[in-house]
Amino acid sequence: GEDVEQSLFLSVREGDSSVINCTYTDSSSTYLYWYKQEPGAGLQLLTYIFSNMDMKQDQRLTVLLNKKDKHLSLRIADTQTGDSAIYFCAESRVGGTGKLIFGQGTTLQVKP
Amino acid sequence: EAGVVQSPRYKIIEKKQPVAFWCNPISGHNTLYWYLQNLGQGPELLIRYENEEAVDDSQLPKDRFSAERLKGVDSTLKIQPAELGDSAVYLCASSLGDPNTGELFFGEGSRLTVL
Repeated sequence: GEDVEQSLFLSVREGDSSVINCTYTDSSSTYLYWYKQEPGAGLQLLTYIFSNMDMKQDQRLTVLLNKKDKHLSLRIADTQTGDSAIYFCAESRVGGTGKLIFGQGTTLQVKP
Repeated sequence: EAGVVQSPRYKIIEKKQPVAFWCNPISGHNTLYWYLQNLGQGPELLIRYENEEAVDDSQLPKDRFSAERLKGVDSTLKIQPAELGDSAVYLCASSLGDPNTGELFFGEGSRLTVL
């Protein structure tokens, strides 16, 4: 199947860490992505990870990939109110045509 | 550098009417995508172009949807006739190079409401 699943909502306090989780079903996924969507805006790529990696860090963002469990997570350190948005997990496949399969998105609410 | 530009941002029409959306990708980006985003859902691919060629239109409902990318730059997506269920945000994106590793740049979307 083509399911990419995410929890729908996460609320954290400013300064805390946020962890957004994603599961996917296709073991042939080659790249996995995290996109951010602010209200009324298009999606913006935050980071991506190749399937033969298990971790990638980029400033406040840490991506962890457990390929055995088909589980991807995005950790945001020192979460700020500007991080409030919808976060989408997406995957692409071996020999893919550039088609990304997106999850339904996780709304992150950051309270001051 | 200008991003992906879409118009109109908002469109309200009655069912059975036609509607068209326009997209101008980032200059030099050879790959262009149209995605459909329903409320509370992630985007779903409708069609992908490599230059002027549609290389993946398997998810495009061809009975009422059509798209074109003349000259391999701008693109239009048309719905005729529109149905109530077509109410959604239509996102255009573009990328340069390998679509599996290259970043997709999204426009702000065209929000369609069908009454």
